[in-house]
Amino acid sequence: SAVISQKPSRDICQRGTSLTIQCQVDSQVTMMFWYRQQPGQSLTLIATANQGSEATYESGFVIDKFPISRPNLTFSTLTVSNMSPEDSSIYLCSVDTGGVYEQYFGPGTRLTVT
Amino acid sequence: GQQLNQSPQSMFIQEGEDVSMNCTSSSIFNTWLWYKQDPGEGPVLLIALYKAGELTSNGRLTAQFGITRKDSFLNISASIPSDVGIYFCAGNFPNSNYQLIWGAGTKLIIKP
Repeated sequence: SAVISQKPSRDICQRGTSLTIQCQVDSQVTMMFWYRQQPGQSLTLIATANQGSEATYESGFVIDKFPISRPNLTFSTLTVSNMSPEDSSIYLCSVDTGGVYEQYFGPGTRLTVT
Repeated sequence: GQQLNQSPQSMFIQEGEDVSMNCTSSSIFNTWLWYKQDPGEGPVLLIALYKAGELTSNGRLTAQFGITRKDSFLNISASIPSDVGIYFCAGNFPNSNYQLIWGAGTKLIIKP
């Protein structure tokens, strides 16, 4: 398993602004994932972020809106750009520590856009 | 695309009762995972299953990987108040590049 932290834990932002969410892992991992979760809903994968390569985005998510950085094996950021109220959600990062399909999650970032 | 059907959507149970929930897929899966999410937290992995027919326990929790590889169930015995939360199944299908498909979740509520 892994210990994962996220910053900030929550934020309230104005529409049109951007927020960068940080994800820090206590061990080196190859695969990191970013999810969005609407309250009371399931998880939707935004993108897969592997160190040393461009992030791979899922259908409906684009790099201009959700740029991702993965500078090393323990850290990643997700930026939510030009926010609108529809971006209000919980954003989660997860890691696959050993290539065995088990993902471990951070506590999430609760974003409210007004 | 791939979909998981998770049921029931919610359960109201008495403390001490046994609980059962399941997930089915239209395609075969290589892996089945069961997670629990508490309010304000990320999902926590409860049980991972890798082989058809595999039955695995974690305390009062038991999960099985269906023999057809298209379903899985999770049982909780003698429920206690801290079992309240949302339970998600997730699966990995062949050639999916480590991505998981998620069920809609089962919300477990214990009647006072």
